[in-house]
Amino acid sequence: DAGITQSPRHKVTETGTPVTLRCHQTENHRYMYWYRQDPGHGLRLIHYSYGVKDTDKGEVSDGYSVSRSKTEDFLLTLESATSSQTSVYFCAISEMYRVETQYFGPGTRLLVL
Amino acid sequence: QQPVQSPQAVILREGEDAVINCSSSKALYSVHWYRQKHGEAPVFLMILLKGGEQKGHEKISASFNEKKQQSSLYLTASQLSYSGTYFCGTVTGNQFYFGTGTSLTVIP
Repeated sequence: DAGITQSPRHKVTETGTPVTLRCHQTENHRYMYWYRQDPGHGLRLIHYSYGVKDTDKGEVSDGYSVSRSKTEDFLLTLESATSSQTSVYFCAISEMYRVETQYFGPGTRLLVL
Repeated sequence: QQPVQSPQAVILREGEDAVINCSSSKALYSVHWYRQKHGEAPVFLMILLKGGEQKGHEKISASFNEKKQQSSLYLTASQLSYSGTYFCGTVTGNQFYFGTGTSLTVIP
């Protein structure tokens, strides 16, 4: 299994509070991704990174920001959490973009009250 | 931009075959297939690239019709372990889009 960890694995927070989710990889893969998964919507790309300090927006980036200061870490921040951001968040990594498999982390369940 | 999968759900008996379809309204660079079991992360099955290259699972096959912007996943002689939700992921330009999933249940 690819070495990907996510922390925390579960979080309950209140509307309006900032939240940061962390993805850590030990595979030295260049590309890292954040997805959210909601019933009826499947997986939707929030942001992705193609290198240290290099990031781009995905399909549902509003309300989220990301940072990557080291190859192994990709952080997802909800500046002011809303109930609509209650979801399961998955991090993924890949060696190349578009033509290689993505390996997914175990996910983080976030509940915003 | 999200690809459309069909059927949404299917129930099979062990040993039966199934086909899951994925269709996009946009030109595709590649198609990825993943399986997710309840409460777990998606797991890679197959990638199909423009030009016909295919990488993936030994017991599962797939096709990619670039002209029609469609892909199909073929599950033959299904086993109980095949149960789960299958997602296709499409690459259009620089964006990944996943379908809403097909729930497949294999019963004894």
